Amino acid sequence: DGGITQSPKYLFRKEGQNVTLSCEQNLNHDAMYWYRQDPGQGLRLIYYSQIVNDFQKGDIAEGYSVSREKKESFPLTVTSAQKNPTAFYLCASSMQRGIQETQYFGPGTRLLVL
Amino acid sequence: KQEVTQIPAALSVPEGENLVLNCSFTDSAIYNLQWFRQDPGKGLTSLLLIQSSQREQTSGRLNASLDKSSGRSTLYIAASQPGDSATYLCAVDSWGKLQFGAGTQVVVTP
Repeated sequence: DGGITQSPKYLFRKEGQNVTLSCEQNLNHDAMYWYRQDPGQGLRLIYYSQIVNDFQKGDIAEGYSVSREKKESFPLTVTSAQKNPTAFYLCASSMQRGIQETQYFGPGTRLLVL
Repeated sequence: KQEVTQIPAALSVPEGENLVLNCSFTDSAIYNLQWFRQDPGKGLTSLLLIQSSQREQTSGRLNASLDKSSGRSTLYIAASQPGDSATYLCAVDSWGKLQFGAGTQVVVTP
């Protein structure tokens, strides 16, 4: 089955700790994205990558970091600099980043602060 | 800056009634508009994508219209079913970047 997987489903972070959220796709898509969703708000773009070894900041990149070493994988690290990390994190991919491209979403990871 | 608004934030209808969901956006320079469905605690599922040159798009019981000049899109769901209960989000593609509305939470009661 082709699709996007995210792990873990739930993640707990302690104060001062960095945590990494996993995102893997087997759709052979070039572009991948990370979004953050807070209650009552729309999704906000954190980072995106159009190709391996390249990524760009989105609207709310502060306190986050990413890597794109493989086409299939786009992990997101929530660093200790992110002061309000509690949210639902969604990973998405598309054939390429551009117009008229449908994005396909993973099931999400809920991050909670202890 | 593109802003996307969805009103109402929540909606409850009896089974069988038609659903009408609204989405408005401030900048008409868009490439496309997409409607997504999100079940509680889950990711998003794409329902319909309307290209900027189109006026509407249909899939089964779903029909979405787009009026770029007035900055509006409407999603119609005919003969609603309890399985249609979910949050529906619209997203506008401006220069390859999706801008999302906050969504409309729909409950269809049996």
